[in-house]
Parts: sequence; C-alpha cells; structure tokens
Amino acid sequence: DGGITQSPKYLFRKEGQNVTLSCEQNLNHDAMYWYRQDPGQGLRLIYYSQIVNDFQKGDIAEGYSVSREKKESFPLTVTSAQKNPTAFYLCASSINGDTQYFGPGTRLTVL
Amino acid sequence: ELKVEQNPLFLSMQEGKNYTIYCNYSTTSDRLYWYRQDPGKSLESLFVLLSNGAVKQEGRLMASLDTKARLSTLHITAAVHDLSATYFCAVVRDFGNEKLTFGTGTRLTIIP
Repeated sequence: DGGITQSPKYLFRKEGQNVTLSCEQNLNHDAMYWYRQDPGQGLRLIYYSQIVNDFQKGDIAEGYSVSREKKESFPLTVTSAQKNPTAFYLCASSINGDTQYFGPGTRLTVL
Repeated sequence: ELKVEQNPLFLSMQEGKNYTIYCNYSTTSDRLYWYRQDPGKSLESLFVLLSNGAVKQEGRLMASLDTKARLSTLHITAAVHDLSATYFCAVVRDFGNEKLTFGTGTRLTIIP
C-alpha cells in the first residue's frame, strides 16, 4: 500500500526536551512538507523540502528543525526553543507542482 | 502577503438543503485546493482547481474558481449527515514550490 505514515500518533514532551516526529512516504514523491494545526485553525507551514538534502523554512520555522537525507523520510524535531509546541502536526508529500497528500498526524502535548 | 479567508466559519444545516462555502484570497494564484478534515483526523484532498472558470464535481460537492474575483466556492447539494466535517481551501502562493496558504476552515454540521 502506498501512503504517508507518521509516528507516533500521540507524543508527550516535558519542558526543555527535544522530540522528533517521524514522517515516511512510499509514494516516490519529491516534495515533503510539515504543517502545524492549532485548535480551530487552519494549517501553517513549518518547513518544506523539494528534493533530497535540501529544505526551506516556512512561515513558523523558529524552534523547529528538519533533515532530508532520504527521499522517503522527512523527520521534524521540536526543540526546547519552541515555547508553545502543543499542536497537531501534519506531514504531507507531493509530486512537485501537484496535490499535497497528508499523513495521519501526530498530536504533541507539552506536560 | 497572501491572505485566504473562508466564510462562514461555522455552518449548521439541515439534511436535504443546499448551501455554499466561500473562499476569498488576496493575491493572484494559479491553483486552489479544497480539503476535508474529520474531527481528530488528517486532511483528505477533494478538488484542485487550475484555471479561471474551472468547475469540479464529486457527488454532492461542487467546487468552482473565479480567478478574476479571487473567489472559490464549494457548493453542497442536498446535504447528508456524512458531509459533516471541516472544509479548508488552500491557495498556492509561489510558483514552482507549492507553498500553500490555508484558510481557517468552515466547520459544517449537517442536522438530521
């Protein structure tokens, strides 16, 4: 089955802790994206990558970091510098210039 | 800066009725998407609209695009309970890198 997987589904972070969210796709898509969704709001772009070993900041990149070492994988690290990380995180992928398809999401809560 | 506004933000409607959700955007774009989100779930792609006058239909949903007015509509015909969800429009803001700006969403509740 082709698709996008995200893990874990739920994640709890303590103050001052870095956590990494996984995003994997087997759709052979070149482009991958990370979004954040807060309750009752739309999605905001954190980082995106159009090709392996290259990525760009989105609108709210502060406190986050990413890597793109493989075409299939685009992990997101939420660092301790992100002061309000509680949110629903969605990963997406696309063939460049085409529809973005979303993974099931990770719900992050700060304890 | 591209701004995308949807209205209404909340919509309750009875089964069998028709209604329209509006998506306005502030700068020129060549592509607009509609997505559906069920509570606690991810986003599901519904439509992509590529040119002025484009119309797409799937079941009871029909989307259209007027690039001159910078307006897209999502029309619901004879609503059924299964259509209850939050609907987002998203507009491509940069050619070539597919950066999307999302609207705030319209939460649609269909009442039996």
